Amino acid sequence: GENVEQHPSTLSVQEGDSAVIKCTYSDSASNYFPWYKQELGKRPQLIIDIRSNVGEKKDQRIAVTLNKTAKHFSLHITETQPEDSAVYFCAARPPPGNNRLAFGKGNQVVVIP
Amino acid sequence: DVKVTQSSRYLVKRTGEKVFLECVQDMDHENMFWYRQDPGLGLRLIYFSYDVKMKEKGDIPEGYSVSREKKERFSLILESASTNQTSMYLCASATSEGEQYFGPGTRLTVT
Repeated sequence: GENVEQHPSTLSVQEGDSAVIKCTYSDSASNYFPWYKQELGKRPQLIIDIRSNVGEKKDQRIAVTLNKTAKHFSLHITETQPEDSAVYFCAARPPPGNNRLAFGKGNQVVVIP
Repeated sequence: DVKVTQSSRYLVKRTGEKVFLECVQDMDHENMFWYRQDPGLGLRLIYFSYDVKMKEKGDIPEGYSVSREKKERFSLILESASTNQTSMYLCASATSEGEQYFGPGTRLTVT
């Protein structure tokens, strides 16, 4: 089955700097890649996603890039703020369907004021 | 807005008890999922359902069963709770495009 790995496991950044989290996946047929943010004590929330026919997608301070050849995708957060501190999960959706996702183990991002 | 609710936020049960966790979504989604979340292990899929009365095992189905009698409701059942089932349980439902939306979670403690 699909295997998703996230690096680094913990990332500390100064407020205002950029943060980048990278995920690799194993199934080249995977076609949908969402990112979830989970604040302490809260549910995971979908923050951005990308499909396999697109290389990059942006939404205000966050962006996701996809490299299908290398089978990796990355989350970029610019101008980080304390409220960006959270655990971020990446996921990949392999065929055949039913919208089952394979999740990475998560990255703890700490924004230092 | 998608709304996914779970029957309890916190639950304490004794070893050997039968435990029911319920999840309800209001968006007519066909796909629903049950995950457990443990520190350092991320989100692990227990079971999912792609239609009423249809279910498939996820990565860690042992010790669990599920029921989907109505489209909006997906139940997770622990037939005989054990201490190693102490965890956070998250339900999710998915749009036809694959976007999964999570419920608030149930923190289950088995003593």
